[in-house]
This record gives sequence, structure tokens and C-alpha cells, in this order.
Amino acid sequence: QQQVKQSPQSLIVQKGGISIINCAYENTAFDYFPWYQQFPGKGPALLIAIRPDVSEKKEGRFTISFNKSAKQFSLHIMDSQPGDSATYFCAASIETGANNLFFGTGTRLTVIP
Amino acid sequence: DTGVSQNPRHKITKRGQNVTFRCDPISEHNRLYWYRQTLGQGPEFLTYFQNEAQLEKSRLLSDRFSAERPKGSFSTLEIQRTEQGDSAMYLCASSLMSMGGTQYFGPGTRLLVL
Repeated sequence: QQQVKQSPQSLIVQKGGISIINCAYENTAFDYFPWYQQFPGKGPALLIAIRPDVSEKKEGRFTISFNKSAKQFSLHIMDSQPGDSATYFCAASIETGANNLFFGTGTRLTVIP
Repeated sequence: DTGVSQNPRHKITKRGQNVTFRCDPISEHNRLYWYRQTLGQGPEFLTYFQNEAQLEKSRLLSDRFSAERPKGSFSTLEIQRTEQGDSAMYLCASSLMSMGGTQYFGPGTRLLVL
């Protein structure tokens, strides 16, 4: 059973456009929601993370929007660049427990110059 | 370099052979996690250590898999009697408990079982 559902599976965006990736979860015990970026042949790298006490977090061109009641969160990449082309994973964990991450299935982002 | 390192980066083996992977976490990180990632999927949790204690194991970790973290520093993941279905990227991550959820991943070991 997939604990975190992610969409879309792939996304093509023009340079300068906004990339939006959505995730949903069921387990209300989750209290930590990170996004990871992964390039081919590399391990995932933490991009940005949010906890349920806030509805939005922004770091540079990356913003997480969090809707606790809907159990959904999304990643927005503003002014998308070709260098952002990668696979993005949302994840969730119970930070006070083992904190093992449950990952979504990934979104392959391609930014066209 | 103070990141998570993993060795080897690639491993090709024949079905039935045993393989062992090593992970060196970020210095002083007391938590260490192993994940497995198959093509086109997100990483899946296998097991984790807090210091030298293995505290949780996923159902994915069959009895052919064993992990150790002697002295709470580096960790090894061994797969005995490998099967073609074991072909995947094996990822290691570490975290400092006081830093909350932030896990830092290594580059992974890609295993191909022929």
C-alpha cells in the first residue's frame, strides 16, 4: 500500500515557468514532509521540508504548500530552469518515531530551454 | 568530504552469490538508514540503526538480508544467495537525532544480479 501518493508521474515545463508537483497522504501521524531531488545515478538530495504547524515554506525558488485538513502538500518551483530537470520525490515520516521516510513514486521534471 | 559515502558504487554478481555493501555516515550522525530503490520508484525503507542498535526492520528485509553497525559508525548490508529480484539501488542515509527528520543520502550502490 502506497502511503504517499504523488502526481504527476512526469512534467514538462518551459524555462521560466512554474512546476507544480502534488502529494497526498493518509496517515495523520505523519509530522515531517520533505522533498528530495534526484539526478540519474545519484542519491536523493534534500530540497526543502515542512512540518504541519505551518501552511507554507519558501526557500529561494522552491515553495511547499501544506494543507493539513486535506492531507495534501505540494512543491512549487518558480522560474524553472533546465538545471532543475530531475526526478522529485515527496516523502513523509513520523519524526518522533523511527523517522523512516515513506516516499512517493516520483515526478520526472523536464524543463525545456 | 563530510557526506555519506557508499562502497562499492556498482556491483554485478551472479544469482546465488553473496554480496556486501558498506555505508559510512556523516561523522557523529547517530541514526543510519538503509533503503532500496528500484527503477522508476521511490526509495523503500529496509532498516535503521540508532548508534549500534538495529531498531526496526521492514517486511522487505527477508532473512537473506542482514545489516550491522558495529560500534555505531559504518554499517554493512549483506545479501545472501542473491536473486534477480534483488537488483536495485541500495541507498544509505544518516541523520542526527537532534536535527529532527533531516536525512542525508549517499550516492547508493547499484546491484545487478545476473
